[in-house]
Amino acid sequence: KAGVTQTPRYLIKTRGQQVTLSCSPISGHRSVSWYQQTPGQGLQFLFEYFSETQRNKGNFPGRFSGRQFSNSRSEMNVSTLELGDSALYLCASSLNSDSGKYFGPGTRLTVT
Amino acid sequence: EDKVVQSPLSLVVHEGDTVTLNCSYEVTNFRSLLWYKQEKKAPTFLFMLTSSGIEKKSGRLSSILDKKELFSILNITATQTGDSAVYLCAVGWGNDMRFGAGTRLTVKP
Repeated sequence: KAGVTQTPRYLIKTRGQQVTLSCSPISGHRSVSWYQQTPGQGLQFLFEYFSETQRNKGNFPGRFSGRQFSNSRSEMNVSTLELGDSALYLCASSLNSDSGKYFGPGTRLTVT
Repeated sequence: EDKVVQSPLSLVVHEGDTVTLNCSYEVTNFRSLLWYKQEKKAPTFLFMLTSSGIEKKSGRLSSILDKKELFSILNITATQTGDSAVYLCAVGWGNDMRFGAGTRLTVKP
């Protein structure tokens, strides 16, 4: 089975812009969750989608949003980018919300 | 405040040693505890624990959860240099999930 894929792998944006990241889960997995990883804050949970519905949400501002499509692919959007949004954004897929989560390679976002 | 604490923060051992990594948590509405191994890339899933006292085992790695005392341990026996990594513990509760800061394990030849 192919693993979790994320596109793009690297991205450079300017403050104030917006960005959309994409995640394709492992075939058959219906849950996709998103995480932000920075050296200072470690790995932080953003949100989780299951069957196109947001199931769980971490403590991030409303500038961070996401959605999931009927084929379980998910996108994450960050609007009005700030320098502090520079991070590795990881998505993970699982069969359902209570299963082990398998991470993709991540998208490295740099905001200048 | 809900929190996940891993200890030690870092550990240096020699090949063949056995190590025990700890993860303690204080959360309400606990759902699950997950262990991950992270090298220079995305975390790799190791175990998911939901029930107390049931050991999960995979090769030289094993883990167990104590829901009464609110902690989990990850054991690695006969360590190898390839075990060098950051080991992350994550606890899911309610509609949130929190990761610990990780334990950086270095295994020397």
